[in-house]
Amino acid sequence: DAKTTQPNSMESNEEEPVHLPCNHSTISGTDYIHWYRQLPSQGPEYVIHGLTSNVNNRMASLAIAEDRKSSTLILHRATLRDAAVYYCILRESNTGNQFYFGTGTSLTVIP
Amino acid sequence: DAGITQSPRHKVTETGTPVTLRCHQTENHRYMYWYRQDPGHGLRLIHYSYGVKDTDKGEVSDGYSVSRSKTEDFLLTLESATSSQTSVYFCAITVGDLNTEAFFGQGTRLTVV
Repeated sequence: DAKTTQPNSMESNEEEPVHLPCNHSTISGTDYIHWYRQLPSQGPEYVIHGLTSNVNNRMASLAIAEDRKSSTLILHRATLRDAAVYYCILRESNTGNQFYFGTGTSLTVIP
Repeated sequence: DAGITQSPRHKVTETGTPVTLRCHQTENHRYMYWYRQDPGHGLRLIHYSYGVKDTDKGEVSDGYSVSRSKTEDFLLTLESATSSQTSVYFCAITVGDLNTEAFFGQGTRLTVV
């Protein structure tokens, strides 16, 4: 499975936008880019996913580079509740369906 | 939470004893997964199931077995628990046409002493 590379940690001020980067230079044409986050003492939760085009939902936006070798998760206004570990995951669209998590980016939100 | 329940939520057991963790779902999803989470490793896939009696190994399956005799239950068994299996265990299901979205349980904290 193709791997992803994320910074170990990032900080953001409350109510400011946050851009969480992910590199996936070995991505294949059938890999979807998924983002999950894990709040303290909870299981991971789905944030967003995409294939080629940028995606928006109520939680975040996903910006995908034209060559698909990198992507950025955008939180438009960070809140204290956004403090979590964010995982960028590549996953094939067909069956098998495993998710392989890396160590993610630990986001600290400063009041 | 997509109707996922893990039991027990906490367990302390002795080295060498068998342990079974249960994952129960209420919505008849086909795919179910067991992960373990340890500091510095993120989540690692142990086993997964793609239907009743259909299971496959993940990246850290040694020392673990699974069973799925009913759609709603996915059991993870440690035949003879070791201290290296002290971890937080998460069950998950995937939903959607391409199983694109995963929902995780609240986790089971297992301590092997």
